[in-house]
Amino acid sequence: IAGITQAPTSQILAAGRRMTLRCTQDMRHNAMYWYRQDLGLGLRLIHYSNTAGTTGKGEVPDGYSVSRANTDDFPLTLASAVPSQTSVYFCASSETGTRNEQFFGPGTRLTVL
Amino acid sequence: GQNIDQPTEMTATEGAIVQINCTYQTSGFNGLFWYQQHAGEAPTFLSYNVLDGLEEKGRFSSFLSRSKGYSYLLLKELQMKDSASYLCAVLDSNYQLIWGAGTKLIIKP
Repeated sequence: IAGITQAPTSQILAAGRRMTLRCTQDMRHNAMYWYRQDLGLGLRLIHYSNTAGTTGKGEVPDGYSVSRANTDDFPLTLASAVPSQTSVYFCASSETGTRNEQFFGPGTRLTVL
Repeated sequence: GQNIDQPTEMTATEGAIVQINCTYQTSGFNGLFWYQQHAGEAPTFLSYNVLDGLEEKGRFSSFLSRSKGYSYLLLKELQMKDSASYLCAVLDSNYQLIWGAGTKLIIKP
């Protein structure tokens, strides 16, 4: 693989179900991020991780959790999905440092009914 | 609060020049990014400015004025493939990226 991969590409989910979105990068970047993108709104940060073993909350963390067991993987879990979590989810990674250029995965389109 | 403003939509003609503006108010400043995002795809990096002035990269240029909290992205010799959304993002004092809602650029033949 090259860059960042996300799975699944799209998913339709019943409200109340648990769902994990997967993200894997092979660039050995320390920092990883989860965003949601909704029509008319900018990218909003859900959670981030500056290095393996650490995570932090972003702008809209409620209803989501993450883990960072190793450098490459950064899964996002919706414990009990609600319709307002219908969105496109992007995972991104970057080197740590002042420039912080982020590289994005292809996204997961999630619909919660 | 933190705020980034950019026009929602712009229209331009193939072969012409267009300037997309971005104004920002953030807690601290550690650089400004422009990303391009085609419909249904992920954002991709275009430019980074941390010092005042103009950065040129082929048909695309980006300008920054830190004192005015202002940046613009200049696209020259527009091509149909430039039809996309252009996202402005500022790196704040905590080195978190704050994103604008994006400007949808429509190119007409």
